[in-house]
Amino acid sequence: NAGVTQTPKFRVLKTGQSMTLLCAQDMNHEYMYWYRQDPGMGLRLIHYSVGEGTTAKGEVPDGYNVSRLKKQNFLLGLESAAPSQTSVYFCASIKTGDYYGYTFGSGTRLTVV
Amino acid sequence: QKEVEQDPGPLSVPEGAIVSLNCTYSNSAFQYFMWYRQYSRKGPELLMYTYSSGNKEDGRFTAQVDKSSKYISLFIRDSQPSDSATYLCAMKTQGGSEKLVFGKGMKLTVNP
Repeated sequence: NAGVTQTPKFRVLKTGQSMTLLCAQDMNHEYMYWYRQDPGMGLRLIHYSVGEGTTAKGEVPDGYNVSRLKKQNFLLGLESAAPSQTSVYFCASIKTGDYYGYTFGSGTRLTVV
Repeated sequence: QKEVEQDPGPLSVPEGAIVSLNCTYSNSAFQYFMWYRQYSRKGPELLMYTYSSGNKEDGRFTAQVDKSSKYISLFIRDSQPSDSATYLCAMKTQGGSEKLVFGKGMKLTVNP
């Protein structure tokens, strides 16, 4: 089925470890986004991309890096995980000219201990 | 002041009640307004959307935007237990890399 796929779905990291979250979409969308969702905080934008090879910072970029080497994939990296990065991470995408049709993945639950 | 303010609740109502959910915002450049529904342990799904000011109705759901007051609302009529979810308002400006700004989300429980 077409959509946004996030891997992994769950992960537990120790403080200081690194990991990469993968977001893959098969809808040929130009724009892709990484959000984090914390209790009482809503969805906050970490980084986004307006096309292959481009990335930009969002509201809460510190501690994260991203890459968009292929149009269909958007990677979110944590170089040295901290307990403050315990969260649920959502990826979303939309195509150019579509004002409302954001597609979200099902999320990655990350716990940093 | 955050760009988008939404009371996080939670809100608990009996089945059949009319539910009113609201958000206020500070950025007058917002033009596209959306409501997302998020079930537990799922990603957000688009529920309603409106452009600029006005009302939009879809079945039991009505979305309203009052740009003069920087205030948006979602009404749910004849609420059902299946409406139990977190509701997030979201909005964006024209262009701007299509970035959505979300409210905190309101957790709604509809009791049978």
